[in-house]
Amino acid sequence: AQSVAQPEDQVNVAEGNPLTVKCTYSVSGNPYLFWYVQYPNRGLQFLLKYITGDNLVKGSYGFEAEFNKSQTSFHLKKPSALVSDSALYFCAVRDMANAGNMLTFGGGTRLMVKP
Amino acid sequence: KAGVTQTPRYLIKTRGQQVTLSCSPISGHRSVSWYQQTPGQGLQFLFEYFSETQRNKGNFPGRFSGRQFSNSRSEMNVSTLELGDSALYLCASSLEGQPSDEQYFGPGTRLTVT
Repeated sequence: AQSVAQPEDQVNVAEGNPLTVKCTYSVSGNPYLFWYVQYPNRGLQFLLKYITGDNLVKGSYGFEAEFNKSQTSFHLKKPSALVSDSALYFCAVRDMANAGNMLTFGGGTRLMVKP
Repeated sequence: KAGVTQTPRYLIKTRGQQVTLSCSPISGHRSVSWYQQTPGQGLQFLFEYFSETQRNKGNFPGRFSGRQFSNSRSEMNVSTLELGDSALYLCASSLEGQPSDEQYFGPGTRLTVT
């Protein structure tokens, strides 16, 4: 079975400061990892993914994430937060051994960026 | 290229009724997945269709069903609606349905059951 944990329900950060949204995962094999963002009354937007290779993955809107296999983590980061980054962020995992397309999501972390 | 579209965007139904939701994937995408989003349970996988065949199914009762057409458009149906079915239903498409493919989500259909 695969699972994802996002330990923080909410992260508060001041505009211009770096932000980190935490994610840890559990899979039986090797993981495919994804980050999505959801704005109010909208669907999820894809930010970035880790498949293989470089542990630092760069994505949309200046976001990046670092894959750490030993800590089974995939934290989302951004060097300088914007007020417009305020949204709900979801980490998701898919086990490479899973022939299907089922994504397992974490519970989400609400990011609040204050001016 | 147009994104994933879902219709209707909002729906109000009464307990015991049935409902059909529609999803049009991004042009060229062959895999369509459905998710239920609620405040209490978060995002839960319902099922995935690829080339008109259900490839995966989540842990939902048989009242939840779906299908995919030859043009990759998909519908999901919920019969005998219960209050707990109130949720945002999200459809997502991906190119070939490979595990490494990212999914692109539609805006969702918000279903309210009274």
